[in-house]
Amino acid sequence: DADVTQTPRNRITKTGKRIMLECSQTKGHDRMYWYRQDPGLGLRLIYYSFDVKDINKGEISDGYSVSRQAQAKFSLSLESAIPNQTALYFCATSDLPGKRQETQYFGPGTRLLVL
Amino acid sequence: RKEVEQDPGPFNVPEGATVAFNCTYSNSASQSFFWYRQDCRKEPKLLMSVYSSGNEDGRFTAQLNRASQYISLLIRDSKLSDSATYLCVVSPRSATNKLIFGTGTLLAVQP
Repeated sequence: DADVTQTPRNRITKTGKRIMLECSQTKGHDRMYWYRQDPGLGLRLIYYSFDVKDINKGEISDGYSVSRQAQAKFSLSLESAIPNQTALYFCATSDLPGKRQETQYFGPGTRLLVL
Repeated sequence: RKEVEQDPGPFNVPEGATVAFNCTYSNSASQSFFWYRQDCRKEPKLLMSVYSSGNEDGRFTAQLNRASQYISLLIRDSKLSDSATYLCVVSPRSATNKLIFGTGTLLAVQP
């Protein structure tokens, strides 16, 4: 079984709808991240969390919110989806802090299309 | 200027060829460096970390030049299965582990 899972894997929604993307991990990591990937722009950080109840904005947090209610779960919400939020969304987790070279482990991604 | 810059490619090479990718970063305070591999429509996966002294993992060699702020990845004896996008990744400060991703270099190994 995959260590980092995302649901749904694909989603089509309409402008103005509220949607939630879920991420679960079995790696026991404290740190979790949400990224979006767009062609030509690479991966950009939306939000990250270092522990339960800890929430930090990333590079492009406007229009998004997150919830970290448990160590293993980190959900991303689009309160009112707009077409330029069409992208590939990845959740990631990382090792305990303090290691020389921390590694991030990515989920399989969620393809979101906003019409 | 982008924080991490890569040539997007594509690099089309025959099997068995040696291919090298370069990446430049703008933040001289960057502390950690990585190469990730991303297959089409898949998630990025860590290929290797890049250490100051350079490091090798089988057919893959990574080098870091802090003075010139660039990172390189050398792939020897290319295989068809090496076809993927290679992402250069930089972490400005190790305490937060925030990663800055390049847009990636596409490699296509031809039979």
